[in-house]
Amino acid sequence: DAKTTQPTSMDCAEGRAANLPCNHSTISGNEYVYWYRQIHSQGPQYIIHGLKNNETNEMASLIITEDRKSSTLILPHATLRDTAVYYCIVRDDSWGKLQFGAGTQVVVTP
Amino acid sequence: KAGVTQTPRYLIKTRGQQVTLSCSPISGHRSVSWYQQTPGQGLQFLFEYFSETQRNKGNFPGRFSGRQFSNSRSEMNVSTLELGDSALYLCASSETQGGVYNEQFFGPGTRLTVL
Repeated sequence: DAKTTQPTSMDCAEGRAANLPCNHSTISGNEYVYWYRQIHSQGPQYIIHGLKNNETNEMASLIITEDRKSSTLILPHATLRDTAVYYCIVRDDSWGKLQFGAGTQVVVTP
Repeated sequence: KAGVTQTPRYLIKTRGQQVTLSCSPISGHRSVSWYQQTPGQGLQFLFEYFSETQRNKGNFPGRFSGRQFSNSRSEMNVSTLELGDSALYLCASSETQGGVYNEQFFGPGTRLTVL
């Protein structure tokens, strides 16, 4: 069973920030939140991950609520190349496997 | 560094046949994981290999097997193919097994069609 809930789809205007929500209300203390994305016909690509603090890298920012039951991935300036399915995953880092849910189809429009 | 490579990229087989898919991880990576992606089930974990040993296994029948060689390259085999095995098979490599900064890098996948 997937441990996360994400909206099925969302649209975003090019140049605007895209805020992707994820609910993980049953997350346990040693589980991390990971985000991957999959552009059509390609393998998934790692974006960012975090435990409880907010994280930022060159691709995105991850905001995790204080109770850790939800998070938001922020793409600060969406481009057409950001059109993809975005997966939010909670993972016990002692295991290698990633348990993907259905993800959010993000479409960035001009 | 070269990325994860998978061969072949496309494959067509008929029911009952067997197939072997190959994955070459990023140089220096010792862990290889395999995933199956179908429109109905999404991305599902098959198994993970580290240091030539299977460390994790997903919920797939015994027709699905794999192995890892001493150079970390990995193969997966599907015997007695069924129509439902048609899927994109993805391989991912990482430096080690588990670990906080152990991000997985995915290859482009092998598209298997079973007729």
